[in-house]
Amino acid sequence: NAGVTQTPKFRILKIGQSMTLQCAQDMNHNYMYWYRQDPGMGLKLIYYSVGAGITDKGEVPNGYNVSRSTTEDFPLRLELAAPSQTSVYFCASSYSAGSRNSPLHFGNGTRLTVT
Amino acid sequence: AQSVSQHNHHVILSEAASLELGCNYSYGGTVNLFWYVQYPGQHLQLLLKYFSGDPLVKGIKGFEAEFIKSKFSFNLRKPSVQWSDTAEYFCAVSLPMNRDDKIIFGKGTRLHILP
Repeated sequence: NAGVTQTPKFRILKIGQSMTLQCAQDMNHNYMYWYRQDPGMGLKLIYYSVGAGITDKGEVPNGYNVSRSTTEDFPLRLELAAPSQTSVYFCASSYSAGSRNSPLHFGNGTRLTVT
Repeated sequence: AQSVSQHNHHVILSEAASLELGCNYSYGGTVNLFWYVQYPGQHLQLLLKYFSGDPLVKGIKGFEAEFIKSKFSFNLRKPSVQWSDTAEYFCAVSLPMNRDDKIIFGKGTRLHILP
């Protein structure tokens, strides 16, 4: 029972490099989310998706892109990495909007450092 | 805009002390409320949730929370904490009729239990 799987667990990027953070869930959840967690700042929503082919911006989308070609996968793309993107990234999924039917299920996170 | 406020950023307690972590939200309509916990080095896990009914909800590991609608609060409590409760705790709100389908997190409270 894998749940939400994120890869990689750790990554160091140089300024200007690009990378994709992978996220996959095997629970047939419609909703998927990308959060970043910074010390003392809680979780900030980057992007979210309510189903395959549908994505929308969260609170802090600048510098990121997402796609949702399948129900299972929700990759997060950093095109030109900047030091401000140093953070821990969490992917999450839920059956509905994290409310009555199911809460959020989180992946184990990706720790990204941009130098 | 809707927001979630957690009053304490960092709490230090001795084992067996009683715990109360404050959470207030700003939204006048019906809400769903959650507390998530993040143990060191791990991802967020659901501690408890409130959708409707009895405003006092029981969660895992002896935690409970009380929804007070008039105060827009959902404080987390535990009568006697253990060293293993050392973690970061996040209050979250989702709006069940919100077409944006977002879940809003507080900034977190880091709890440190002294053995």
